[in-house]
Amino acid sequence: DAGVIQSPRHEVTEMGQEVTLRCKPISGHDYLFWYRQTMMRGLELLIYFNNNVPIDDSGMPEDRFSAKMPNASFSTLKIQPSEPRDSAVYFCASSLLAGVTGELFFGEGSRLTVL
Amino acid sequence: SQKIEQNSEALNIQEGKTATLTCNYTNYSPAYLQWYRQDPGRGPVFLLLIRENEKEKRKERLKVTFDTTLKQSLFHITASQPADSATYLCALDTASGGSYIPTFGRGTSLIVHP
Repeated sequence: DAGVIQSPRHEVTEMGQEVTLRCKPISGHDYLFWYRQTMMRGLELLIYFNNNVPIDDSGMPEDRFSAKMPNASFSTLKIQPSEPRDSAVYFCASSLLAGVTGELFFGEGSRLTVL
Repeated sequence: SQKIEQNSEALNIQEGKTATLTCNYTNYSPAYLQWYRQDPGRGPVFLLLIRENEKEKRKERLKVTFDTTLKQSLFHITASQPADSATYLCALDTASGGSYIPTFGRGTSLIVHP
């Protein structure tokens, strides 16, 4: 398997624009996670899905953020409208079975810069 | 909520020495604790998982200990090499939506000098 695939790797946009980040998890993994990493706050969980269903979105900063998982092989994280404070690296991760092995497989991240 | 503390200062050691990184937590003892490695510009990579009923776990040059009394995990790299230079993150399971999801510390940077 190619691992977790994220796109784009880098995104530079202007404040107010819509940003869509994409993720393809490892085939067969039941759980998909979106994390955000900044120097100040480290790696924070935004939302996670189990079998395509959002389970906990309490980490989503505000209504400007939304995430979907229309099928087992694809997820998006959307920010609309974007703000400079959203600048961070966004990671997608998948896991075969959370709470048992707990091992997460991360993508390479999407570095977002909002000007 | 669980607070996870890792030394924010970089750890500098000489090649061949043993590196020891610390992960402390403040509240309940997790059912398991994980360590990840992260290289610049890359995603974290899983290294080891240790369960609450395990005192120690080893994998090649890596060793993890888990002391639920001290609320601490230690991560050791023996015979360290410059290639071991990276940021090391610990993660503790946190109850979320009926599952246990890893919550990460901010990581400690390790620099191994040749």
